[in-house]
Amino acid sequence: SAVISQKPSRDICQRGTSLTIQCQVDSQVTMMFWYRQQPGQSLTLIATANQGSEATYESGFVIDKFPISRPNLTFSTLTVSNMSPEDSSIYLCSANSGANVLTFGAGSRLTVL
Amino acid sequence: GIQVEQSPPDLILQEGANSTLRCNFSDSVNNLQWFHQNPWGQLINLFYIPSGTKQNGRLSATTVATERYSLLYISSSQTTDSGVYFCAVESGGSNYKLTFGKGTLLTVNP
Repeated sequence: SAVISQKPSRDICQRGTSLTIQCQVDSQVTMMFWYRQQPGQSLTLIATANQGSEATYESGFVIDKFPISRPNLTFSTLTVSNMSPEDSSIYLCSANSGANVLTFGAGSRLTVL
Repeated sequence: GIQVEQSPPDLILQEGANSTLRCNFSDSVNNLQWFHQNPWGQLINLFYIPSGTKQNGRLSATTVATERYSLLYISSSQTTDSGVYFCAVESGGSNYKLTFGKGTLLTVNP
């Protein structure tokens, strides 16, 4: 299965700033997914990142707040814009690594002060 | 959208005990996966099991698609089994987008 690297692994950010999370897959994948996991909660899908087209956002998530790039079949970025303490979460990148199995990166733990 | 309910929400075991975790879902699914999230936050896929039974070491899973539930069995539990177990499903036409249950927090004490 694919190996997914995410960075940063954790960060502490100030209110009003933006942070970009990078996700690198060791093989080409058609779709990549960005999830958010708020403290003590389950995972919620933010958007699907497709190479060569705009990301598809789930209800409750908008491009202005969470812009996503997908420049090629192995890389994607998620930006969390104009952060507030409510954005403190783990953000996880994932990809379908074959045989319908979803593989996750180790996550990026954001704390917004 | 599809609803996913997991039970129990919390479970505490002594090392060596067996346990069964349950996942109920509200619609037919094309994809069902079980994940383990360790205390450091890493999510590991345990099983891809939209139907049938699979086993991997001390873990096994069964999905009865017609009755819309899946079970994860953990035998001879170890402290390293501690963490949150998530069931995630994909319903028809959603292109591998998984909907996660709220998870079962398992604590295995030595």
